[in-house]
Amino acid sequence: EAGVAQSPRYKIIEKRQSVAFWCNPISGHATLYWYQQILGQGPKLLIQFQNNGVVDDSQLPKDRFSAERLKGVDSTLKIQPAKLEDSAVYLCASSLGLAGGNMGETQYFGPGTRLLVL
Amino acid sequence: KQEVTQIPAALSVPEGENLVLNCSFTDSAIYNLQWFRQDPGKGLTSLLLIQSSQREQTSGRLNASLDKSSGRSTLYIAASQPGDSATYLCAVRSLTSGTYKYIFGTGTRLKVLA
Repeated sequence: EAGVAQSPRYKIIEKRQSVAFWCNPISGHATLYWYQQILGQGPKLLIQFQNNGVVDDSQLPKDRFSAERLKGVDSTLKIQPAKLEDSAVYLCASSLGLAGGNMGETQYFGPGTRLLVL
Repeated sequence: KQEVTQIPAALSVPEGENLVLNCSFTDSAIYNLQWFRQDPGKGLTSLLLIQSSQREQTSGRLNASLDKSSGRSTLYIAASQPGDSATYLCAVRSLTSGTYKYIFGTGTRLKVLA
């Protein structure tokens, strides 16, 4: 079974530029998560999708971050404009999504995209 | 507000030693707790998931316990091996801002010396 795929693996940009990350979850997984992991910290949930609907985006900085999951499969996370404090690893995860994605299911993580904002 | 703390932040042990990693959380009203492993440059791998009604879970050399009332979980690793070297994260699933989400600790960085 193929795992969660993410691209690019690394990205270096200057502040005020825009950047986009892509995630392809495990086939058949209805729930998709984007996490931000700053160096030395645990991951922080940015947004959770159930199919192509948003379940939780309470911690997404909506003035600069946006995410979509068209057709309930792949997802993109965009930052525009980027700030220095956005330097982090962006992790995508997916789970089966039983019971509307609100159960404590095992999440499967991708390798992450490491972003450096200069 | 749920907060998750992991102690120690880093640990170095000789191969073959049994060890315990600690996780504490401030709000005992959790749905479940998961232990993850993170290797450098890679994503997280789920090791064990304990539902709130359970006291422990075992997988191979790993045993995780949960004491909700005291807000604590431990991950026991038996007969440690150099391949166990990684960062171990615990995460509790709690009702936060109206939805259930995982709150992660900052992790314990483990190094097992050959």
